[in-house]
Amino acid sequence: SQKIEQNSEALNIQEGKTATLTCNYTNYSPAYLQWYRQDPGRGPVFLLLIRENEKEKRKERLKVTFDTTLKQSLFHITASQPADSATYLCALESEEYGNKLVFGAGTILRVKS
Amino acid sequence: DAGVTQSPTHLIKTRGQQVTLRCSPISGHKSVSWYQQVLGQGPQFIFQYYEKEERGRGNFPDRFSARQFPNYSSELNVNALLLGDSALYLCASSSPGLAGTETQYFGPGTRLLVL
Repeated sequence: SQKIEQNSEALNIQEGKTATLTCNYTNYSPAYLQWYRQDPGRGPVFLLLIRENEKEKRKERLKVTFDTTLKQSLFHITASQPADSATYLCALESEEYGNKLVFGAGTILRVKS
Repeated sequence: DAGVTQSPTHLIKTRGQQVTLRCSPISGHKSVSWYQQVLGQGPQFIFQYYEKEERGRGNFPDRFSARQFPNYSSELNVNALLLGDSALYLCASSSPGLAGTETQYFGPGTRLLVL
């Protein structure tokens, strides 16, 4: 069956450290993978998109990697700040399923000062 | 520029009732998608409309329906509400880019509680 798995446990890290979040998927062949941030009671906000032929993408303190062999994406936040505390969602676009966006359950990140 | 707007923000209904949720996309966006997000889960795709036509449908029963108007705003209707329909309903607009890439711009959502 198809699955998108993100760290089910919340990730607690100290301010200034690098946070690394994982997204694993099975039985998908995604053309793209996206990462979103969601604050409590708000809609998700788009952060980064990475294509299947790209290994890495960066935006300011954010970095995303995409390994289609391992079927895994890693999302890094360097020099983390308490304001980075939120739920981070990965989402796949798969041509096999009409390009609809399929989301993981998300990982809660807590950055402590 | 205004982002995606949704109304109402909160709604309480009883089982068996019907509900209509409304969404206005970002100006210039012609595609609107609806998602259901249950607490602790990621958003689950319900519908996508583009240029007033249904472009995709998720695994939801026929009690769920939607439409898109000429101004690209959209309504989601849910009939015969069940307790399990309690969730945050998210609307997202997008502007199709290269090779079908569609970044979703989400609204704040409508929190529906079914009693």
